[in-house]
Amino acid sequence: GNSVTQMEGPVTLSEEAFLTINCTYTATGYPSLFWYVQYPGEGLQLLLKATKADDKGSNKGFEATYRKETTSFHLEKGSVQVSDSAVYFCALNSNDYKLSFGAGTTVTVRA
Amino acid sequence: NAGVMQNPRHLVRRRGQEARLRCSPMKGHSHVYWYRQLPEEGLKFMVYLQKENIIDESGMPKERFSAEFPKEGPSILRIQQVVRGDSAAYFCASSPTGGKGRGGEQFFGPGTRLTVL
Repeated sequence: GNSVTQMEGPVTLSEEAFLTINCTYTATGYPSLFWYVQYPGEGLQLLLKATKADDKGSNKGFEATYRKETTSFHLEKGSVQVSDSAVYFCALNSNDYKLSFGAGTTVTVRA
Repeated sequence: NAGVMQNPRHLVRRRGQEARLRCSPMKGHSHVYWYRQLPEEGLKFMVYLQKENIIDESGMPKERFSAEFPKEGPSILRIQQVVRGDSAAYFCASSPTGGKGRGGEQFFGPGTRLTVL
């Protein structure tokens, strides 16, 4: 079956630090890959996505590249801000409609 | 263009009561999904519905839980005789197509946080 494994948190950083959250997956077929972000008390918002191998998704300074050879989709940001404090979820959609999520990584950015 | 709407945002029930969670998909979306998020965990798929049809309810507990998406009105997730273990955040998502249409992206509502006393 499909599964997503992401780096456990919590992660605490200072402003302007580099952020990376590892995500690897197991899936049948050729999944689409997503990063969702959940701010405190809110629902999930799509941060970025990639639908095929070697695609790079990017948004708000975040990037992730679909690596089929390593089955990975690591999230990176070069300089984080306090407003980036949130829970980040890696997810995949294989050849059906169910999104499979990782457990989430809590990121706290301190001023 | 309103996003996915869910209500109530917070719901408190005593053990044995019924909980009804509502979800209105984005305009033009006819595919609705329900997910449950237990504390400190990721989201788990519960059920996938199209108008008047349940397509896949494989993630839903066999007892006490039911879902519908009528021709008119919102999708409803109903939990009968709630127990403390039902306390969780329940998220609804919608999409314009099923499967991997448009990359398989789903749009999420703000969730309903259910607390069972």
